[in-house]
Amino acid sequence: AQSVTQLDSQVPVFEEAPVELRCNYSSSVSVYLFWYVQYPNQGLQLLLKYLSGSTLVKGINGFEAEFNKSQTSFHLRKPSVHISDTAEYFCAVSRSGNEKLTFGTGTRLTIIP
Amino acid sequence: DSGVTQTPKHLITATGQRVTLRCSPRSGDLSVYWYQQSLDQGLQFLIQYYNGEERAKGNILERFSAQQFPDLHSELNLSSLELGDSALYFCASSVASRRGGITDTQYFGPGTRLTVL
Repeated sequence: AQSVTQLDSQVPVFEEAPVELRCNYSSSVSVYLFWYVQYPNQGLQLLLKYLSGSTLVKGINGFEAEFNKSQTSFHLRKPSVHISDTAEYFCAVSRSGNEKLTFGTGTRLTIIP
Repeated sequence: DSGVTQTPKHLITATGQRVTLRCSPRSGDLSVYWYQQSLDQGLQFLIQYYNGEERAKGNILERFSAQQFPDLHSELNLSSLELGDSALYFCASSVASRRGGITDTQYFGPGTRLTVL
């Protein structure tokens, strides 16, 4: 079975500052890794995904994430945040395509003007 | 807009009642997933259907059931509702071509917010 840990439940960041949201996973097999964003009162939108290949993955809205197999981590980063990035961010893992996603508990990102 | 639609958007009902949530996947998507998002349990996988057949089951209560119809839309039925069933219910779909080839991305609908009073 797979599991995902998001260590930070809330992260406040000043506008235009960099941010890193942490995600660690546990699995006995190779997995696919995802970051989803949930804006207030909306559904989940895919930010980026890692399937294989290059460990640095670029996504939408200027976000990127780095897969680190030895540390079983998939941290999300953005060099300069904007007010519009205020949302909840979920890290997720699946064993393969066409299988369920296992989500972390989410990190609420708050941007301070 | 992900292309996945869910109705209704909001549902308020009483304990002991039964409700049906509906999901229309993106055009051509064969897989439909149901997830529950609640404050105490977070985002949990309930059940997956693939081309009309149940493919995987997660933490779905016996009071809950689902099905996928020939036109690929899906319904989640919740019965004997309890206060603790209040949550946001998401449907997601992914492409799994009838010709083979599977993609990895699940696209989520806007959710149905269920309130049980």
